[in-house]
Amino acid sequence: EIVLTQSPATLSLSPGERATLSCRASQDVGSYLVWYQHKPGQAPRLLIYDVSNRATGIPARFSGSGSGTDFTLTISSLEPEDCALYYCQHRSTWPLSFGGGTKVEIK
Amino acid sequence: EEQLVESGGALVQPGGSLGLFCAASGFSFSSYAMNWVRQVPGKGLEWLAGMSNSGGTTYYADSVKGRFTIFRDNSKNTLFLLMTSLRVDDTAVYYCVRGGCTTGFCSYWALWGQGTLVTVSS
Repeated sequence: EIVLTQSPATLSLSPGERATLSCRASQDVGSYLVWYQHKPGQAPRLLIYDVSNRATGIPARFSGSGSGTDFTLTISSLEPEDCALYYCQHRSTWPLSFGGGTKVEIK
Repeated sequence: EEQLVESGGALVQPGGSLGLFCAASGFSFSSYAMNWVRQVPGKGLEWLAGMSNSGGTTYYADSVKGRFTIFRDNSKNTLFLLMTSLRVDDTAVYYCVRGGCTTGFCSYWALWGQGTLVTVSS
């Protein structure tokens, strides 16, 4: 099973700042890396699929990069509504798995 | 409107069984692979099981293999999860999710249900 490790566990930034979230895979997942945003009481929201493809309706301030085992989700200029948990997920092989999440806090 | 609505969550005793349902509407259900994902309270997301659009192929997480069964009825636009030998650590919100495209499993999920809570406790 591929293990995804996300860092940092918590990111505390001010509105307008740039957020950089990391996801590292225990094995090469190619370009099959996905990012979700999850707010309390809501279903997770697909942000990015296959490393860098923004899902429908996702603002341009969200971008993804990386390949192989190291991936990054960048929020270029934080908005208050970006306060949430962010998860990466691979879809390279079975079984699928998620990372442990990064909590983004807005100061 | 494309929608997934889960039901069936309940309080169940350890060792018991429970069936979850996911009713799909607003899209061609039989064209998409479907999966179940859960979130343990206060913890992260966990993928549990996936089924191809035809129902002919299934995959399971090791944590539920042999205890949970995913199946679907394309004539009724419904996905199911039969859970047996339930444990306290199966307590979670269970989501059904739709594959991101109609080619293969396409395991990124833009469409989620609202979730249904399963509590395993004596």
